[in-house]
Amino acid sequence: SQTIHQWPATLVQPVGSPLSLECTVEGTSNPNLYWYRQAAGRGLQLLFYSVGIGQISSEVPQNLSASRPQDRQFILSSKKLLLSDSGFYLCASKMGGANYGYTFGSGTRLTVV
Amino acid sequence: KNEVEQSPQNLTAQEGEFITINCSYSVGISALHWLQQHPGGGIVSLFMLSSGKKKHGRLIATINIQEKHSSLHITASHPRDSAVYICAVRKGGSQGNLIFGKGTKLSVKP
Repeated sequence: SQTIHQWPATLVQPVGSPLSLECTVEGTSNPNLYWYRQAAGRGLQLLFYSVGIGQISSEVPQNLSASRPQDRQFILSSKKLLLSDSGFYLCASKMGGANYGYTFGSGTRLTVV
Repeated sequence: KNEVEQSPQNLTAQEGEFITINCSYSVGISALHWLQQHPGGGIVSLFMLSSGKKKHGRLIATINIQEKHSSLHITASHPRDSAVYICAVRKGGSQGNLIFGKGTKLSVKP
């Protein structure tokens, strides 16, 4: 079965500092990978998804970027954090095909101060 | 209006009570998911439904495709069931992207 490792669990960063969140997947190959964000009081919102190495699709314009340098590695980055980037970031993985469900990471709670 | 609406937003129950959480959606979907989020934030997938009903232990999930509605039931609720329950749908034809409801915060008192 799939396992997602996501780190760090919590992060406090000053405004203007860079960000790098990493997500790695075990137990599968060529999954679809997703980054979601949950702002305070709101539901999870899709930020980026990837169907393969180097293939990134962005759902919302923002201060963040994503990369997939390896099949099972998905990275969320920012060059300069904004206060509005605070939230809960969640990585998810899914095999292709309608019958497969999702596996979720444990999430990163980011506070920008 | 959100494409996925859940009710209630908050729910407090006594241990042993039967609990129902509702989810309505307004888009065509290929599947609906019920997820559980614990206070630390990690999310566990409970059910994936495209029709009918599924049961796992004390949890039951149903979906009515025509009415675009799903329910999650918890029988004989227990304090360890306290969590946020999230409904999410996968739009038909998408790359598997999920649209999430805002969640229902359940607190079960002993």
